[in-house]
Amino acid sequence: EVQLLESGGGLVQPGGSLRLSCAASGFTFSSYAMSWVRQAPGKGLEWVSTVKPGSGSTHYADSVKGRFTLSRDNSKNMLYLQMDSLRAEDTAVYYCAKAEGSIDPFLYWGQGTLVTVSS
Amino acid sequence: QSALTQPASVSGSPGQSITISCTGTSSDVGGYNYVSWYQQHPDKVPKLMISDVSKRPSGVSNRFSGSKSGNTASLTISGLQAEDEADYYCASFTRSSTLVFGGGTKVTVL
Repeated sequence: EVQLLESGGGLVQPGGSLRLSCAASGFTFSSYAMSWVRQAPGKGLEWVSTVKPGSGSTHYADSVKGRFTLSRDNSKNMLYLQMDSLRAEDTAVYYCAKAEGSIDPFLYWGQGTLVTVSS
Repeated sequence: QSALTQPASVSGSPGQSITISCTGTSSDVGGYNYVSWYQQHPDKVPKLMISDVSKRPSGVSNRFSGSKSGNTASLTISGLQAEDEADYYCASFTRSSTLVFGGGTKVTVL
């Protein structure tokens, strides 16, 4: 059974940093692209970033480029999202998702972790 | 990376069919057959309903179907049921190798 478990969310001040983690199990982690999708309170879904298998190349939404860094540790089946220079508009539930293709679709999602950026 | 355009709301009576549109550009929806649709009930995790424009994952009701014409993709729900009341989001691969979602459509079953 595929399982994705996010952790690391919480309250952080504007300008601060936070690292989200996603523990994956139930599939060959190293063979799949992995993504983060976020959802601000009462708002729609927004793709954040994807890391490819193999090369580990990354892609980012313009809204987070230069501030967020996505990485993966295939030996530990772990996905990490380092979030720096956080802004109020980064407040959202962050979902870890397994991509069935090069960047999506997302058949499996984690339960999400809430990040709140506020002073 | 402008969001794809979806109607804010669509409604229908039980048993009816409804269609949700998702309009993009030739750089996303129109340029690739990589359009997906997600259903999200309140406070729940999104669920994949359609991938690659018209493919239904195992376990998804055949009342849900997808199509595309030019820069507009569509999700049709036939035989509308109360449990279909939810938010629906389209998503498309883009020329920049990114993913863009639509703003979401709230489906109401009257």
